[in-house]
Amino acid sequence: QVQLVQSGAEVKKPGASVKVSCKASGYTFTGYYIHWVRQAPGQGLEWVGWINPNNGDTDYAQKFQGRVTMTRDTSISTAYMEVSRLRSDDTAVYYCEVVTGIIYWGQGTLVTVSA
Amino acid sequence: EILMTQSPATLSVSPGERATLSCRASQSVARNLAWYQQKPGQAPRLLIYAASIRATAIPARFSGSASGTDFTLTISSLQSEDFAVYYCQQYDDWPQTFGQGTEVEI
Repeated sequence: QVQLVQSGAEVKKPGASVKVSCKASGYTFTGYYIHWVRQAPGQGLEWVGWINPNNGDTDYAQKFQGRVTMTRDTSISTAYMEVSRLRSDDTAVYYCEVVTGIIYWGQGTLVTVSA
Repeated sequence: EILMTQSPATLSVSPGERATLSCRASQSVARNLAWYQQKPGQAPRLLIYAASIRATAIPARFSGSASGTDFTLTISSLQSEDFAVYYCQQYDDWPQTFGQGTEVEI
């Protein structure tokens, strides 16, 4: 069965960077785009961007351009999202997601940005 | 960007009653529309995808329908565990966009 397993919670200081991983299993990793979505405390869901694991192409939401980098390692079926120059309003749960016809989500990674 | 508008923001219902949640897209998303349930501290749980297909292990009291750019999630007889926030999501075009959520409360 399809599974997306994300890395654990992180606590970072403002200005630092964080890299979250998403390990995929149960389907052909290079066959489907992986999306990243975030949810700030008490807020709704916000799309961050996608990566094409087949060739590494990416697309980011306008507000994240220049601060977010998505990469992948096809040898271990893992996608990564790095957010740099963290601010307090980047505190959120970050999810990876894949649409194979059905939609699958990772369990989420809480990133806390606090001085 | 496709705007997804959910209504109402809050829906007050009693257990056993029927609940009808709406989601409107600002342009066509075909049937590439999903519904999620989210409880505090939990990840969103997929209920419906492709506008009307129930996800695995989702009870039959949840159903989805579509008419053009209007989508509906119906919970036929609310159970206590159904009180939560519900989101719609279009995945027809990038960026994926979400509605602002409907809170179903007692």
